[in-house]
Amino acid sequence: EIVMTQSPVTLSVSPGERATLSCRASQSVASNLAWYQQKPGQAPRLLIYDAFTRATGVPARFSGSGSGTEFTLTISSLESEDFAVYYCQQYHKWPPYSFGQGTRLEI
Amino acid sequence: EVRLVESGGDLVQPGGSLRLSCAASGFTFSSFAMSWVRQAPGKGLEWVSTISGTGGTTYYGDSVQGRIAVSRDNSKKILYLQMNNLRVEDSAIYYCARAYRSDWFDSWGQGAQVTVSS
Repeated sequence: EIVMTQSPVTLSVSPGERATLSCRASQSVASNLAWYQQKPGQAPRLLIYDAFTRATGVPARFSGSGSGTEFTLTISSLESEDFAVYYCQQYHKWPPYSFGQGTRLEI
Repeated sequence: EVRLVESGGDLVQPGGSLRLSCAASGFTFSSFAMSWVRQAPGKGLEWVSTISGTGGTTYYGDSVQGRIAVSRDNSKKILYLQMNNLRVEDSAIYYCARAYRSDWFDSWGQGAQVTVSS
């Protein structure tokens, strides 16, 4: 089973600043990685797939990078609506699909 | 517009059973694998099960293997999750999700609350 580890657990950033979230896989997942955003009381929302491709409707301030075992989600200029929990997920080798434990992005 | 609506969540005693449903609309249901992902209170996301578009192939996570069964009715566009011998640790919000290319989850329902408690 591939284990996904996200860091940091909590990231405190001010609106307008850049946020950088990390995700590490226990073995290579090539570019088979997705990022999700989850706000309180809501279902997760797909942001990024194939490591760097934005899903439909996702603002350009969200970008993904990385391959192999190291991945990054960058939010270039934070807006108030971006404060949420972010999860990475690998689909390179499944079952099982595996998610990271999440990074909480707070003001 | 893709829409997924779960139902069937409830309070059930340990050892009990429950069946969740997920009604799909807005896409060709039989063309997509579908999955269940759960989230325990205050915790992260945990993949539970996936079923192929035809329903002929199913996959389960280790924590639920042998106690749950996923199925689908493509004529009705409904995904099911039959859960048996429920444990307290199965308490969670259960989301159904469309698995695009059987890879990432591009659409999610609003979730069904399952609480296992005596």
